[in-house]
Amino acid sequence: GAVVSQHPSWVICKSGTSVKIECRSLDFQATTMFWYRQFPKQSLMLMATSNEGSKATYEQGVEKDKFLINHASLTLSTLTVTSAHPEDSSFYICSASGVLQNTGELFFGEGSRLTVL
Amino acid sequence: QKEVEQDPGPLSVPEGAIVSLNCTYSNSAFQYFMWYRQYSRKGPELLMYTYSSGNKEDGRFTAQVDKSSKYISLFIRDSQPSDSATYLCAMSTIQGAQKLVFGQGTRLTINP
Repeated sequence: GAVVSQHPSWVICKSGTSVKIECRSLDFQATTMFWYRQFPKQSLMLMATSNEGSKATYEQGVEKDKFLINHASLTLSTLTVTSAHPEDSSFYICSASGVLQNTGELFFGEGSRLTVL
Repeated sequence: QKEVEQDPGPLSVPEGAIVSLNCTYSNSAFQYFMWYRQYSRKGPELLMYTYSSGNKEDGRFTAQVDKSSKYISLFIRDSQPSDSATYLCAMSTIQGAQKLVFGQGTRLTINP
C-alpha cells in the first residue's frame, strides 16, 4: 500500500509552546489529507480535512486558530499545535488520499504522540 | 446515539480460535465499509474494504456487510498472537477518501 510518513513520532514540550507535526506521502501525490486525534483506548476523531492549496476544513469543536493546518504541496501537510496545553496531549494521526485512490481507502501515518508538560 | 457502535472489549481468545468482531451503525447512507488494524502506538492499517452488502475474503480474514441490519463483521480464522491489536471498523457514505466515521475499536488479545 501507499506510504505515509509522520514526523516526529514522539514529542514532549512545555505548556505554552508550539509544536509542528509533518505528514508526508512518500510514493504518491496526496490531494487530500486528514488529521485525527486519538485519546487512549478511544477511536480516531477527525479534526480537519486539508486539500492541497486551499484552507483546511475543520470539524465542529476544533479550534482552527489553535490547530493550524497547512497543505502547501501534494506531498506534505503540517499540523501546528499553538500554545499547547496539557489537555492537548494526545496521539495525532494523519492520513492521505491520492488521485488514484478513489475507493475510499485511506493510508495512515504512524502517528505522533504529543505530551505537553 | 453514536453513528457507529463497536464493543471496545477487551476480547481475549486462545490461539487458533475464530474471532468475530462486529459493528452496528445507524446511518443507512453508509455504502463503503472498512476494517483497520492498529497496533499499540501505531497508525491504523487497512485490512479489508467492502462496498455495499456481501462478503469478502482475504486469507484468514473475512468481512461481512449486512446493510439491511446495519451490521458489519470481521472474522479471523486460525487466530495468531500477532493478530493481537485494536480493530477499528470505519465507514463512509460516498466513494473516495472522504470523511470516514470510525467505531471505537475492539482490543483483541490472542493468547498462545
